Amino acid sequence: KQEVTQIPAALSVPEGENLVLNCSFTDSAIYNLQWFRQDPGKGLTSLLLIQSSQREQTSGRLNASLDKSSGRSTLYIAASQPGDSATYLCAVRGETSGSRLTFGEGTQLTVNP
Amino acid sequence: EPEVTQTPSHQVTQMGQEVILRCVPISNHLYFYWYRQILGQKVEFLVSFYNNEISEKSEIFDDQFSVERPDGSNFTLKIRSTKLEDSAMYFCASTLAGWNTEAFFGQGTRLTVV
Repeated sequence: KQEVTQIPAALSVPEGENLVLNCSFTDSAIYNLQWFRQDPGKGLTSLLLIQSSQREQTSGRLNASLDKSSGRSTLYIAASQPGDSATYLCAVRGETSGSRLTFGEGTQLTVNP
Repeated sequence: EPEVTQTPSHQVTQMGQEVILRCVPISNHLYFYWYRQILGQKVEFLVSFYNNEISEKSEIFDDQFSVERPDGSNFTLKIRSTKLEDSAMYFCASTLAGWNTEAFFGQGTRLTVV
């Protein structure tokens, strides 16, 4: 059964800092991995989808990498801003689990002005 | 920009009552999903729906749950007899295709069972 873990659970940084969020998954047989942002009490906003054949995907100040064989992904946020404060979730779509997403517990990010 | 829309945003119901949560997926998407997030826990998959039938469901999705696409735009989740432990945020999602495309989520319905 696929398990997804995110480290750290919480992170507090000063504005302007570059930061890395980590995601690991136990079964490397995945189709893709998706990063989401969740604001308190709100829905999930898709940030990046990275296919299993890709190593990296970029969107603005965000860069996601994927090392499928080692079961790891990182989300790099450049020049963080207070508006980046949210919970960041990663989710994988496994080859044996149809089209469902399996989520990690998230990293709660606070960017202080 | 197209988005997934869910109504209501918050529903309070008494234990044992039936509730219907509504979703309007993105119009050209073909796959629809329900997930839930109990407060402080992970987002969990409930069910996927394609071509007017359930394509996959989790162990959470028991006989108390059902889904329906009553017309060309709405996708609903029904809970027949709510329990206290059904209290959660319920998210609807849709994808253009199945496993290889980006999932878009709605803003969620917070269900509180009292």
